[in-house]
Amino acid sequence: QSVLTQPPSVSAAPGQKVTISCSGSSSSIGNNYVSWYQQLPGNAPKLLIYDNNKRPSGIPDRFSGSKSGTSATLAITGLQTGDEGDYYCETWDNSLISRLFGGGTKLTVL
Amino acid sequence: QVQLQESGPGVVKPSGTLSLTCAVSGGSINSSNWWSWVRQTPRKGLEWIGDVHHIGNSYYNMSLRSRVTIFLDKSKNQFSLDLRSVTAADTAVYYCARLDGSYVSFDLWGQGILVTVSS
Repeated sequence: QSVLTQPPSVSAAPGQKVTISCSGSSSSIGNNYVSWYQQLPGNAPKLLIYDNNKRPSGIPDRFSGSKSGTSATLAITGLQTGDEGDYYCETWDNSLISRLFGGGTKLTVL
Repeated sequence: QVQLQESGPGVVKPSGTLSLTCAVSGGSINSSNWWSWVRQTPRKGLEWIGDVHHIGNSYYNMSLRSRVTIFLDKSKNQFSLDLRSVTAADTAVYYCARLDGSYVSFDLWGQGILVTVSS
């Protein structure tokens, strides 16, 4: 069981919006930047969001991130079938002295 | 652009050493980045193994620290992972990755290599 908690799955219709939460602690999310990764079926993870809310070059603005206290959220608007896959949050933990990943959330676009 | 490519045996015997290499192309391993290994299993999801920097610093997952070494080969522009005393629980897809210059995010990943621990 991960110390970064994500819902196992979320779903929404094409064109709709979905949010994925990531809950941590004061030693993890509360005091460190959060990153989000997208893993499409059969592929390696890909960086979607860094520094809580920044997008790397080439990532569409349909993807956005936010952080409040010890939780972070990834929002995806204008859902497309190509967005189906797994999404992971990640951060550093000052107490565990370790990099942590969330358990992952499977996105289904109905 | 910079690319990462893992290589190594697909099968390792129990109690043996899992050794993988990540070739860095299109850029230098002597850059300001850290170089990392991450593994993925259906049961545990993504698990950070450790990072190394060209100046010699390294950080490891505490749960694996006693069995892991990550090291650079600057002459070949690659970095490697040794995981000793492996068991079936070490069966996973192993990814090499690059941490950005701020040591915050994995901004580049290899394609991954499946390693199975089996006799």
